Amino acid sequence: QSVLTQPPSVSAAPGQRVTISCSANSSNLDLDYVCWYQHVPGAAPTLLIYDTIKRPLRIPDRFSGSRSGTSVILDIAGLQSGDEANYFCGTWAGGPSVGRRVFGGGTKLTVL
Amino acid sequence: QVLLQESGPGLIKPSETLSLTCAVSGGSITNSHWWSWVRQPPGKALEWIGEIYPSGTTKYNPSLKSRVTMSVDNSKTQFSLKLSSVTAADTAIYYCARAGLFYMDSWGNGTTVTVSS
Repeated sequence: QSVLTQPPSVSAAPGQRVTISCSANSSNLDLDYVCWYQHVPGAAPTLLIYDTIKRPLRIPDRFSGSRSGTSVILDIAGLQSGDEANYFCGTWAGGPSVGRRVFGGGTKLTVL
Repeated sequence: QVLLQESGPGLIKPSETLSLTCAVSGGSITNSHWWSWVRQPPGKALEWIGEIYPSGTTKYNPSLKSRVTMSVDNSKTQFSLKLSSVTAADTAIYYCARAGLFYMDSWGNGTTVTVSS
């Protein structure tokens, strides 16, 4: 079981909004520095969100991140068919000095 | 934009040592990033293997530390992973990535490694 828990799948129609949660199962996870990645199988994962809420310049503002207690959320607005992919979260367990990077199990987004 | 490309044997026998290389193009292995390896076994979550700084400093996942060695080529255009005494549990897609302290901003497409006799 991953220390970061994600729903296995979510789905929504084009134009709609979807949220994907990433819940912490351990107290030593750095939830202020969570990243979200988009991964189409066979291709390189893409960094969507870093530091839980920040977005790289090249990423559209349809993608946003937030935190609620021991969960972090990826919000995707105005869904497009090209958003169909796997999404996973990641952070440090135990901090970057002595810890290890950890990832959620991934969520498959289907655009209906 | 830096691009990363993994290469490796594809198929390896149990107990052997897996060697993978990550070629970096569009840039070089710089002192401002860590250079990482991550794997994903079939049907399972991503697992961080470890990472190396160009100076040679390494961080390894404690669960794999005893079997992992990472290095950076002197040309600073590729870095490598060695994983010893492999078993079927090491079957996975292996990714290399460029990492900042709290993010991984460039990844390779991954290379599939199967451990089987």
